[in-house]
Amino acid sequence: EAQVTQNPRYLITVTGKKLTVTCSQNMNHEYMSWYRQDPGLGLRQIYYSMNVEVTDKGDVPEGYKVSRKEKRNFPLILESPSPNQTSLYFCASSPSVTGPLRDTQYFGPGTRLTVL
Amino acid sequence: EDKVVQSPLSLVVHEGDTVTLNCSYEVTNFRSLLWYKQEKKAPTFLFMLTSSGIEKKSGRLSSILDKKELFSILNITATQTGDSAVYLCAVEGGNDMRFGAGTRLTVKP
Repeated sequence: EAQVTQNPRYLITVTGKKLTVTCSQNMNHEYMSWYRQDPGLGLRQIYYSMNVEVTDKGDVPEGYKVSRKEKRNFPLILESPSPNQTSLYFCASSPSVTGPLRDTQYFGPGTRLTVL
Repeated sequence: EDKVVQSPLSLVVHEGDTVTLNCSYEVTNFRSLLWYKQEKKAPTFLFMLTSSGIEKKSGRLSSILDKKELFSILNITATQTGDSAVYLCAVEGGNDMRFGAGTRLTVKP
């Protein structure tokens, strides 16, 4: 089954404790992206990757890191989480970076993160 | 600064009503505008619009884009309780995507 998976789905942590949220897709997609969703603000793009070893900042990259060592995986790293990073996080992927192909953007199930 | 603004933020209607959701944008290097429906999980794709004046239709939902006035509308006719959700508008500019805050639609029986 074609899908985007994220782990963990729920996480409660404390300020300053490094964490990684994994994202994996099994569709051989080139483009992957991370969003955070907060009430009243919609989804905001954190980072995106157009292919292996190619990553770029989105709207709200501060406090986050990503890596794209393999095509299928795009982990989101919070080196020193803070309470303002409490949010719902979505990973997404789409097949190609050329042309307007975001209609086939597949979203993962989301990760609800709470930083105390 | 690029932005996507949706209105209204919240809407409550009764089954059978017709609703119009609005999305206006200011985005550099516009490529496409997309509508998503989000219930209690990840957003699901509805429409992608790239050209002005061409209506996209799927059942009771339809959408159109005006690239001159920089807005799009999403229409839902004969609403049903299953249409209750947050509807997200997203605009693709360059290589990134910017979302609006969403419109929360509640359809009462």
